[in-house]
Amino acid sequence: EPEVTQTPSHQVTQMGQEVILRCVPISNHLYFYWYRQILGQKVEFLVSFYNNEISEKSEIFDDQFSVERPDGSNFTLKIRSTKLEDSAMYFCASCILAGGVPYQETQYFGPGTRLLVL
Amino acid sequence: GEDVEQSLFLSVREGDSSVINCTYTDSSSTYLYWYKQEPGAGLQLLTYIFSNMDMKQDQRLTVLLNKKDKHLSLRIADTQTGDSAIYFCAESVASYDKVIFGPGTSLSVIP
Repeated sequence: EPEVTQTPSHQVTQMGQEVILRCVPISNHLYFYWYRQILGQKVEFLVSFYNNEISEKSEIFDDQFSVERPDGSNFTLKIRSTKLEDSAMYFCASCILAGGVPYQETQYFGPGTRLLVL
Repeated sequence: GEDVEQSLFLSVREGDSSVINCTYTDSSSTYLYWYKQEPGAGLQLLTYIFSNMDMKQDQRLTVLLNKKDKHLSLRIADTQTGDSAIYFCAESVASYDKVIFGPGTSLSVIP
């Protein structure tokens, strides 16, 4: 079964440093997402990306965050200057457009990158 | 705004049925999901139901939807210790729309 992959699985960084989290979505998917989960809390939507542009973003996704699809396979989340409160698990997800094979219509989540900001 | 609520903890004995309940507020929700998260792991989609359905059964899992009350439940039959995890109720308006998650219900299965 196809899957979303994410690298690294864990990242530790110093406050103020830039981090880039990487994701490889499922190859024929067209929508891409980032979510985050602060330890012990609910999963929160950050941003969705379609047709090489942001289609929706949440209040959390401020100017410190950016997303990019630098080539045909990777989807990245950059945090420019990390804060302590950015420590969380970051999940990438991808989705085929509605109208595809029914079992593929939902968002497929990657295993996550655990980010720790010290 | 959109909100999803669920009870935070549930404890059951091995072999019993577990029922996890969820309520949501967005009447335009079309997809309603149940995800499972084991400690330190990612999100596993267990099952989902369309808003025009009342029930969906998949092996030991039964999802019931009361659209009028915006109430969703997940029943796990013959609960096993391997079912111990956090279960997230979630919803989206379309399959490609953002998914709104509840806080998660921590299920503990007592041997």
